[in-house]
Amino acid sequence: GIQVEQSPPDLILQEGANSTLRCNFSDSVNNLQWFHQNPWGQLINLFYIPSGTKQNGRLSATTVATERYSLLYISSSQTTDSGVYFCAVDRAGTALIFGKGTTLSVSS
Amino acid sequence: NAGVTQTPKFQVLKTGQSMTLQCAQDMNHEYMSWYRQDPGMGLRLIHYSVGAGITDQGEVPNGYNVSRSTTEDFPLRLLSAAPSQTSVYFCASSGRRFQDEQFFGPGTRLTVL
Repeated sequence: GIQVEQSPPDLILQEGANSTLRCNFSDSVNNLQWFHQNPWGQLINLFYIPSGTKQNGRLSATTVATERYSLLYISSSQTTDSGVYFCAVDRAGTALIFGKGTTLSVSS
Repeated sequence: NAGVTQTPKFQVLKTGQSMTLQCAQDMNHEYMSWYRQDPGMGLRLIHYSVGAGITDQGEVPNGYNVSRSTTEDFPLRLLSAAPSQTSVYFCASSGRRFQDEQFFGPGTRLTVL
């Protein structure tokens, strides 16, 4: 099946710093989503981005489908950005396959 | 809209006991799914449904049953709980196609002793 690899596994930042999270996938996909899991466990959909670039406030994402990767950019990080960021992909229109996530810690 | 709701939030079972985790959504979504989350493993798909009366297996279906009698509800049944099923369980739903944005419930933390 399709493999999803996220890097780095852990990231520690000072408030105000910028960061880039990467998601590589092993096969062509027709669906890619980024999620944030906050410290209380809630999963929030950040982007639905099978290709192209999207921006939402301080967050933006780019997916280069032909090269099988996606990037999530966080600018001017805040403590509320802490948590785990997951990339998930699907190619058959049936199920999302998740990466293992990047754990982000932002300190003030 | 309440979105995706799950009950209970926490549950402790003894090995061999059975129980049902409830999931409901009020967004008229066709697609619903169950995931389990274990430390360091991300989320893994257990079962999913593409509509009322239609279910299929995901990556880790053993030990779990599902049914989908209505669009709104998608319960997950553990027939004989095992310690390996200790995990956090998430239910999710999405619109017309699985490619649509996924909405997750708050999760159920299950411990099997």
